Amino acid sequence: NAGVTQTPKFQVLKTGQSMTLQCAQDMNHEYMSWYRQDPGMGLRLIHYSVGAGITDQGEVPNGYNVSRSTTEDFPLRLLSAAPSQTSVYFCASRTSYGYTFGSGTRLTVV
Amino acid sequence: TQLLEQSPQFLSIQEGENLTVYCNSSSVFSSLQWYRQEPGEGPVLLVTVVTGGEVKKLKRLTFQFGDARKDSSLHITAAQPGDTGLYLCAGAIPGTGNQFYFGTGTSLTVIP
Repeated sequence: NAGVTQTPKFQVLKTGQSMTLQCAQDMNHEYMSWYRQDPGMGLRLIHYSVGAGITDQGEVPNGYNVSRSTTEDFPLRLLSAAPSQTSVYFCASRTSYGYTFGSGTRLTVV
Repeated sequence: TQLLEQSPQFLSIQEGENLTVYCNSSSVFSSLQWYRQEPGEGPVLLVTVVTGGEVKKLKRLTFQFGDARKDSSLHITAAQPGDTGLYLCAGAIPGTGNQFYFGTGTSLTVIP
C-alpha cells in the first residue's frame, strides 16, 4: 500500500549514542517532515524538506540532523541522544490536501 | 505557547451521545485540517477546510471553519466506540511558507 514507512517502531538508546530514524514514502510527494509528539505538547516540527537537496529547520531542531538525497527518503539523525529526546517521532509527507503520516517510532533515551 | 488551543483536552462519553470539540487561535489560517490518531499509529487526515464559514460533513462528523478563519469545531453525532481516539487540528498560517501548526489534541473515549 502507498504511504509513509518508518523504521524502527521502537528503540532504546543510551545517553550519548547516535542513531538514524528511517523514513520512506512512495507517493512522490515533494514535501516531507519530521515531528515529535510529547504529552501535552502536541506535534512539534523538527525539520522539513520541500524537495530533494533542500532541508530547513522547524520549531525544535536542536540535536537532530536531516538530509534529503532522494524524493523518497528523509532520514532523521540523532547526533548524541539525550533523555529529553525521549518521544514518539513521526515522519510525514504532504500535499496541499494534507499530511500522510507514518506509524511512528517510539524512542526512549536512558 | 500553542498557536492552536484545543478544548476540551479530555472527553469521556457514553455511546450514542453527541459532542463538540473546539480548535481556537488568535491567528488567521489559510486552511485548517482535522486528524484522528489511534494509539500506536500516526494521525489520519479527516478533512480540510479552506473557506471562512465552510461546513463539511463526513458521516456523523460535522466540521466547521469559523467566519474569521481563526477557529474550527468538530461535532460528532451519536458517538460510537470506533470514534475513540486523539483528535488534532492543524492550521496553515499565511506567510510562513504554508507551515502547518498542530493543536495539542482532544482525547476522546466513547464508552460502550
